[in-house]
Amino acid sequence: EDKVVQSPLSLVVHEGDTVTLNCSYEVTNFRSLLWYKQEKKAPTFLFMLTSSGIEKKSGRLSSILDKKELFSILNITATQTGDSAVYLCAYMGGATNKLIFGTGTLLAVQP
Amino acid sequence: DVKVTQSSRYLVKRTGEKVFLECVQDMDHENMFWYRQDPGLGLRLIYFSYDVKMKEKGDIPEGYSVSREKKERFSLILESASTNQTSMYLCASSLSGSYGGGQFFGPGTRLTVL
Repeated sequence: EDKVVQSPLSLVVHEGDTVTLNCSYEVTNFRSLLWYKQEKKAPTFLFMLTSSGIEKKSGRLSSILDKKELFSILNITATQTGDSAVYLCAYMGGATNKLIFGTGTLLAVQP
Repeated sequence: DVKVTQSSRYLVKRTGEKVFLECVQDMDHENMFWYRQDPGLGLRLIYFSYDVKMKEKGDIPEGYSVSREKKERFSLILESASTNQTSMYLCASSLSGSYGGGQFFGPGTRLTVL
């Protein structure tokens, strides 16, 4: 059965710290892996990764995919309290555009 | 900007009632999705649609049905609401094509079934 596992489940850091969130997957017919940020509302799209080894970057956030080892990481540098959220990882596989989500990592950034 | 709207932010219904959740997107996306999100279980796909009048079951379709009569609108129907359908319901849309790009989510409807 296809699945996505995120770790850690939750994380508490202080402003200015750097964090790394992990996502591993066991899927068939992999097409892409996506990261979302969810605050107290709907998830917002961050990155879509399809090629191994190519880093996607947006400000202080970056992500990379390793298709050989079947994992992705999301890095956040110089964290701010506004980064506090649940970060969701999802893969897209098969012939459709369905996404299978992990349960998320809850990040709390303290002042 | 992609805009996905849902008809209600909060909804309270009684067991056995028929419930309609509406979702509208304004970016001419082919694909539309309904998820429910529960603590510890994450986002789970209920149904999705890749074209008007087309629908496919997701991972947890039992107790739900959907309707897509127009491209921009995707409705989720609970024929006879039950307490275990209390949840946050999220609608999403995306383009079609090889990878479909990111899915864009609506604000969610928090449904409570008493």
